[in-house]
Amino acid sequence: EIVLTQSPATLSLSPGERATLSCGASQSIRTDLAWYQHKPGLAPRLLIHDASSRATGVPDRFSGSGSGTDFTLTISRLEPEDFAVYYCQQYGSSPPGTFGQGTKLEIK
Amino acid sequence: QVQLVESGGGLVKPGGSLRLSCAASGFTFSDYYMSWIRQAPGKGMEWVSYISSSGVSIYYADSVRGRATISRDNAKKSLFLQINNLRAEDTAVYYCAKYGTGWYLGHWGQGALVTVSS
Repeated sequence: EIVLTQSPATLSLSPGERATLSCGASQSIRTDLAWYQHKPGLAPRLLIHDASSRATGVPDRFSGSGSGTDFTLTISRLEPEDFAVYYCQQYGSSPPGTFGQGTKLEIK
Repeated sequence: QVQLVESGGGLVKPGGSLRLSCAASGFTFSDYYMSWIRQAPGKGMEWVSYISSSGVSIYYADSVRGRATISRDNAKKSLFLQINNLRAEDTAVYYCAKYGTGWYLGHWGQGALVTVSS
Protein backbone atom coordinates (compact mmCIF):
# COMPACT_ATOMS: atom_id res chain seq x y z
CA GLU A 1 0.00 0.00 0.00
CA ILE A 2 1.27 3.46 -0.89
CA VAL A 3 1.66 5.69 2.17
CA LEU A 4 1.25 9.46 1.92
CA THR A 5 3.02 11.68 4.44
CA GLN A 6 1.86 15.27 4.77
CA SER A 7 3.94 18.02 6.33
CA PRO A 8 3.77 19.99 8.43
CA ALA A 9 1.00 18.58 10.62
CA THR A 10 0.04 22.14 11.57
CA LEU A 11 0.88 25.38 9.80
CA SER A 12 0.30 28.71 11.52
CA LEU A 13 0.14 31.70 9.19
CA SER A 14 -1.57 35.06 8.88
CA PRO A 15 -4.02 36.20 6.19
CA GLY A 16 -2.12 37.53 3.21
CA GLU A 17 0.82 35.17 3.69
CA ARG A 18 1.83 32.34 1.36
CA ALA A 19 1.15 28.75 2.43
CA THR A 20 3.14 25.76 1.23
CA LEU A 21 1.85 22.29 2.11
CA SER A 22 3.74 19.11 1.23
CA CYS A 23 2.68 15.56 0.48
CA GLY A 24 5.18 12.76 -0.03
CA ALA A 25 4.40 9.33 -1.45
CA SER A 26 6.21 6.13 -0.46
CA GLN A 27 6.54 5.22 -4.14
CA SER A 28 5.94 6.92 -7.45
CA ILE A 29 2.35 7.82 -8.24
CA ARG A 30 3.13 9.82 -11.41
CA THR A 31 0.70 12.76 -11.12
CA ASP A 32 -2.23 10.76 -9.68
CA LEU A 33 -2.75 13.04 -6.70
CA ALA A 34 -5.63 15.18 -5.45
CA TRP A 35 -5.91 17.83 -2.74
CA TYR A 36 -9.02 18.48 -0.65
CA GLN A 37 -10.00 21.23 1.76
CA HIS A 38 -12.10 20.31 4.80
CA LYS A 39 -13.76 22.67 7.25
CA PRO A 40 -15.51 21.35 10.39
CA GLY A 41 -19.08 20.27 9.77
CA LEU A 42 -18.88 20.84 6.03
CA ALA A 43 -18.39 18.61 3.03
CA PRO A 44 -14.77 18.18 1.98
CA ARG A 45 -14.03 20.08 -1.21
CA LEU A 46 -11.88 19.00 -4.15
CA LEU A 47 -9.26 21.65 -4.91
CA ILE A 48 -6.73 19.98 -7.21
CA HIS A 49 -6.67 16.75 -9.23
CA ASP A 50 -3.96 15.16 -11.34
CA ALA A 51 -1.43 17.01 -9.17
CA SER A 52 -1.90 20.43 -10.78
CA SER A 53 -5.39 20.78 -12.32
CA ARG A 54 -7.65 23.11 -10.40
CA ALA A 55 -11.20 21.88 -9.88
CA THR A 56 -14.09 23.95 -11.20
CA GLY A 57 -14.65 27.11 -9.20
CA VAL A 58 -11.43 26.91 -7.19
CA PRO A 59 -9.71 30.32 -6.93
CA ASP A 60 -6.42 30.67 -8.75
CA ARG A 61 -4.56 31.43 -5.52
CA PHE A 62 -4.59 27.63 -5.07
CA SER A 63 -2.03 25.75 -7.13
CA GLY A 64 -0.63 22.24 -7.11
CA SER A 65 2.68 20.93 -8.36
CA GLY A 66 4.87 17.87 -8.31
CA SER A 67 5.14 14.39 -9.77
CA GLY A 68 6.49 11.02 -8.76
CA THR A 69 6.80 11.12 -4.98
CA ASP A 70 6.85 14.82 -4.01
CA PHE A 71 3.89 17.14 -4.24
CA THR A 72 3.05 20.64 -3.09
CA LEU A 73 -0.14 22.63 -2.58
CA THR A 74 0.50 26.37 -2.58
CA ILE A 75 -1.93 29.06 -1.51
CA SER A 76 -0.41 32.25 -2.82
CA ARG A 77 -2.10 34.73 -0.53
CA LEU A 78 -4.20 33.41 2.33
CA GLU A 79 -7.78 34.57 2.71
CA PRO A 80 -9.65 34.13 6.04
CA GLU A 81 -11.79 31.36 4.51
CA ASP A 82 -8.70 29.29 3.61
CA PHE A 83 -8.01 28.19 7.18
CA ALA A 84 -8.99 24.55 7.25
CA VAL A 85 -7.56 21.04 7.12
CA TYR A 86 -6.02 19.94 3.82
CA TYR A 87 -5.71 16.33 2.70
CA CYS A 88 -3.86 14.80 -0.19
CA GLN A 89 -5.08 11.58 -1.80
CA GLN A 90 -3.26 9.32 -4.22
CA TYR A 91 -4.92 7.19 -6.87
CA GLY A 92 -1.82 5.97 -8.66
CA SER A 93 -2.02 2.51 -7.15
CA SER A 94 -4.95 0.19 -7.59
CA PRO A 95 -8.18 1.92 -6.63
CA PRO A 96 -9.30 3.46 -4.49
CA GLY A 97 -5.99 4.87 -3.27
CA THR A 98 -5.07 6.33 0.09
CA PHE A 99 -5.20 9.62 1.97
CA GLY A 100 -2.54 11.55 3.80
CA GLN A 101 -3.10 12.32 7.48
CA GLY A 102 -3.84 16.00 6.82
CA THR A 103 -2.30 19.42 7.45
CA LYS A 104 -4.18 21.84 9.66
CA LEU A 105 -3.77 25.41 8.42
CA GLU A 106 -4.52 27.71 11.34
CA ILE A 107 -4.56 31.44 11.86
CA LYS A 108 -1.46 32.76 13.57
CA GLN B 1 -25.44 21.90 -8.69
CA VAL B 2 -24.26 18.56 -7.34
CA GLN B 3 -25.77 17.65 -3.99
CA LEU B 4 -25.15 14.58 -1.88
CA VAL B 5 -27.15 14.21 1.32
CA GLU B 6 -26.44 11.40 3.75
CA SER B 7 -28.95 10.02 6.23
CA GLY B 8 -29.32 7.07 8.56
CA GLY B 9 -26.60 7.81 11.07
CA GLY B 10 -27.09 7.51 14.80
CA LEU B 11 -26.21 5.64 17.98
CA VAL B 12 -25.93 1.88 17.63
CA LYS B 13 -24.93 -0.78 20.14
CA PRO B 14 -21.91 -2.99 19.43
CA GLY B 15 -22.98 -5.91 17.29
CA GLY B 16 -25.84 -3.95 15.79
CA SER B 17 -26.48 -2.91 12.20
CA LEU B 18 -26.93 0.34 10.37
CA ARG B 19 -27.96 1.35 6.86
CA LEU B 20 -26.72 4.66 5.54
CA SER B 21 -28.35 6.34 2.56
CA CYS B 22 -27.12 9.05 0.23
CA ALA B 23 -29.54 11.01 -1.95
CA ALA B 24 -27.91 12.46 -5.07
CA SER B 25 -29.03 15.30 -7.28
CA GLY B 26 -27.64 17.73 -9.84
CA PHE B 27 -25.89 15.15 -12.03
CA THR B 28 -26.59 11.95 -13.96
CA PHE B 29 -26.19 9.55 -11.05
CA SER B 30 -26.10 6.42 -13.19
CA ASP B 31 -22.98 7.66 -15.00
CA TYR B 32 -20.69 7.84 -11.98
CA TYR B 33 -18.80 5.60 -9.61
CA MET B 34 -19.67 6.41 -6.00
CA SER B 35 -17.88 5.85 -2.72
CA TRP B 36 -18.18 5.89 1.05
CA ILE B 37 -15.34 7.36 3.08
CA ARG B 38 -15.24 7.73 6.85
CA GLN B 39 -13.40 9.82 9.41
CA ALA B 40 -13.10 8.58 12.97
CA PRO B 41 -12.86 11.20 15.74
CA GLY B 42 -9.44 12.85 15.63
CA LYS B 43 -8.33 10.68 12.72
CA GLY B 44 -7.81 11.06 8.98
CA MET B 45 -9.92 9.91 6.08
CA GLU B 46 -10.39 6.19 5.39
CA TRP B 47 -11.89 4.57 2.31
CA VAL B 48 -14.74 2.24 3.18
CA SER B 49 -16.21 1.15 -0.13
CA TYR B 50 -16.83 2.11 -3.74
CA ILE B 51 -19.26 0.91 -6.38
CA SER B 52 -19.17 1.26 -10.15
CA SER B 53 -21.84 3.12 -12.09
CA SER B 54 -23.65 -0.11 -12.96
CA GLY B 55 -23.09 -1.69 -9.56
CA VAL B 56 -21.05 -4.56 -10.99
CA SER B 57 -17.65 -3.55 -9.60
CA ILE B 58 -17.39 -3.17 -5.83
CA TYR B 59 -14.53 -2.65 -3.37
CA TYR B 60 -14.41 -2.89 0.41
CA ALA B 61 -11.70 -1.87 2.82
CA ASP B 62 -10.27 -4.71 4.87
CA SER B 63 -11.70 -3.07 7.99
CA VAL B 64 -15.30 -3.64 6.84
CA ARG B 65 -15.03 -6.51 4.33
CA GLY B 66 -17.48 -9.26 5.25
CA ARG B 67 -19.57 -6.87 7.37
CA ALA B 68 -20.47 -4.17 4.86
CA THR B 69 -22.60 -4.10 1.73
CA ILE B 70 -22.63 -1.18 -0.68
CA SER B 71 -25.46 -0.85 -3.18
CA ARG B 72 -27.14 1.72 -5.36
CA ASP B 73 -30.50 2.41 -6.94
CA ASN B 74 -29.87 4.37 -10.12
CA ALA B 75 -33.58 4.95 -10.73
CA LYS B 76 -33.89 6.61 -7.32
CA LYS B 77 -30.44 8.29 -7.51
CA SER B 78 -29.48 6.78 -4.20
CA LEU B 79 -26.43 5.12 -2.68
CA PHE B 80 -26.50 2.83 0.34
CA LEU B 81 -24.11 1.31 2.86
CA GLN B 82 -25.16 -1.42 5.25
CA ILE B 83 -22.74 -2.36 8.02
CA ASN B 84 -23.44 -5.32 10.28
CA ASN B 85 -21.77 -6.44 13.50
CA LEU B 86 -20.76 -2.86 14.28
CA ARG B 87 -17.73 -2.27 16.46
CA ALA B 88 -16.58 0.71 18.51
CA GLU B 89 -13.92 1.38 15.88
CA ASP B 90 -16.65 1.93 13.28
CA THR B 91 -17.55 5.15 15.09
CA ALA B 92 -17.00 7.89 12.52
CA VAL B 93 -18.54 10.45 10.24
CA TYR B 94 -19.44 8.64 7.02
CA TYR B 95 -19.24 10.63 3.80
CA CYS B 96 -20.85 9.82 0.49
CA ALA B 97 -18.75 10.97 -2.45
CA LYS B 98 -18.95 11.07 -6.23
CA TYR B 99 -15.93 10.31 -8.37
CA GLY B 100 -14.70 12.77 -10.93
CA THR B 101 -13.47 11.81 -14.38
CA GLY B 102 -10.62 9.96 -12.68
CA TRP B 103 -10.12 8.21 -9.36
CA TYR B 104 -10.45 11.40 -7.35
CA LEU B 105 -13.56 12.50 -5.47
CA GLY B 106 -15.20 15.38 -7.24
CA HIS B 107 -17.99 16.00 -4.73
CA TRP B 108 -18.71 14.99 -1.15
CA GLY B 109 -21.71 15.10 1.15
CA GLN B 110 -21.63 16.70 4.59
CA GLY B 111 -21.53 13.35 6.31
CA ALA B 112 -23.55 11.25 8.74
CA LEU B 113 -22.30 10.51 12.24
CA VAL B 114 -22.35 6.90 13.35
CA THR B 115 -21.61 6.21 17.00
CA VAL B 116 -21.16 2.65 18.19
CA SER B 117 -21.46 2.47 21.94
CA SER B 118 -23.27 0.52 24.62
